[in-house]
Amino acid sequence: DTAVSQTPKYLVTQMGNDKSIKCEQNLGHDTMYWYKQDSKKFLKIMFSYNNKELIINETVPNRFSPKSPDKAHLNLHINSLELGDSAVYFCASSHILRSAGNTEAFFGQGTRLTVV
Amino acid sequence: AQSVSQHNHHVILSEAASLELGCNYSYGGTVNLFWYVQYPGQHLQLLLKYFSGDPLVKGIKGFEAEFIKSKFSFNLRKPSVQWSDTAEYFCAVNVGSSNTGKLIFGQGTTLQVKP
Repeated sequence: DTAVSQTPKYLVTQMGNDKSIKCEQNLGHDTMYWYKQDSKKFLKIMFSYNNKELIINETVPNRFSPKSPDKAHLNLHINSLELGDSAVYFCASSHILRSAGNTEAFFGQGTRLTVV
Repeated sequence: AQSVSQHNHHVILSEAASLELGCNYSYGGTVNLFWYVQYPGQHLQLLLKYFSGDPLVKGIKGFEAEFIKSKFSFNLRKPSVQWSDTAEYFCAVNVGSSNTGKLIFGQGTTLQVKP
C-alpha cells in the first residue's frame, strides 16, 4: 500500500496551460505539504495544510493554489504555467504534534512537471 | 531565518570506504533533525531522525548520525558504503517550536559509490 501517492508522475504541458497535481495519504496524518525541487535538487516548502486549514503559504506566486477537500487529500492547481515552473513537486504528510505520533514526513514519489 | 548547510555537494567513494556527510543548521532553539535519501528517480525516504535523547542515532541501512548541539551539527556517517548507497542525501531541520511541521532542507549531497 502506497502511503503517500501523487498523480501524475510525469506532466508535460505548454506555457499558459492550467494543470493540477493530486495527492492522497493513507497514513492518518493531520498535515500535508507541497514541496518544490528545482533543477539543482534544492527542496523548498510551498504550502502546508493541517486538518484542511492552510498553515504555511511561502512566497509562492498566486498562480499556485492548493486545495484540501479533506485531511487525506491535498491537490495543487497551477494556472498560466510558465517555463520556470518546471520542477519536481513532492507531496508529503506528517503529524505536527508529537503527542499524535511521529512527526517525520513521508513523501510521495514526486511529479515531474515540464513546461514547454 | 533558519537555514541548513551541507558542506559536501558531490562525494565520490569506492565501495567499503567510510562516509561522513556534514550538516550544520542555524537556529538556537529546539530542533528536530532528519536525514533523507533520494535514490535515482525515486521519492525521499527517511534514513534517520533525532528528536531528543541519545545524540547518536542509528538509522536504516547501517547509517548513523550524531547531534552535536554546541556545533549545531548533525553529521551522517556510515563505516562502509556500498554501490547501492549511490543517491542524493538531504539533511533537514524542523524547528521544534514552530508547530507547523515545516522542513528546511540543505542543498543536498550527491554520493557516488564506485564498485
